[in-house]
Amino acid sequence: EIVLTQSPGTLSLSPGETATLSCRASQTVKSPYFGWYQQRPGQAPRLLIYAVSSRSTGIPARFSGSGSGTDFTLTISRLEPEDFAVYYCQQYGSSPLTFGGGTKVEMK
Amino acid sequence: EVQLLESGGGLVQPGGSLRLSCAVSGLTLGTFAISWVRQAPGKGLEWVSTISGLPGSTYYIDSVKGRFTVSKDIPKNTVYLQMNNLRGDDTAVYYCAQHLEWLQSFDYWGLGTLVTVSS
Repeated sequence: EIVLTQSPGTLSLSPGETATLSCRASQTVKSPYFGWYQQRPGQAPRLLIYAVSSRSTGIPARFSGSGSGTDFTLTISRLEPEDFAVYYCQQYGSSPLTFGGGTKVEMK
Repeated sequence: EVQLLESGGGLVQPGGSLRLSCAVSGLTLGTFAISWVRQAPGKGLEWVSTISGLPGSTYYIDSVKGRFTVSKDIPKNTVYLQMNNLRGDDTAVYYCAQHLEWLQSFDYWGLGTLVTVSS
């Protein structure tokens, strides 16, 4: 099983700042089967990034993904109020499909 | 527009059974995969099971193998998760999510249904 470890657990930032979220895998993730999801309080998760760096339909350009192998990053430029949420990484290249524990981006 | 709607959650005693439904609109089940993902209260996401488009292959996380069964009714465009021998650690919000095929990202999600296993 591929274990995904997200850091930091919580990120305290102000609107307009840049958020950098990390996800490290316990073994190499099959390329390019990696994505990021956003979950706002009381809502279902929403796909942001798939195939490491491709934005899902309707996702603003301020969201970008990068990485390979075991290290992946989600960058959110110029944080908007609606971006304060929990973010999960996911590998879907091998079973069991696994998610990271999440990073909460909170308003400072 | 793709929409998924879960139902069937509720309170059940340990050892009991429950069947969840995921009604899908906006696409044809025969050509897409559907997964179940759960989220225990205050916790993160955990993939539970997937049923693929064609031929409808099924996949499970180890902790539910032999207890949960995923199936689909294509004419009704509905996916089911039959959960037997439920345990306290099965308590969670269960989401269904659509994806193109087995090893693909989860494109659309339902709103979830809460399953509580308690005596």
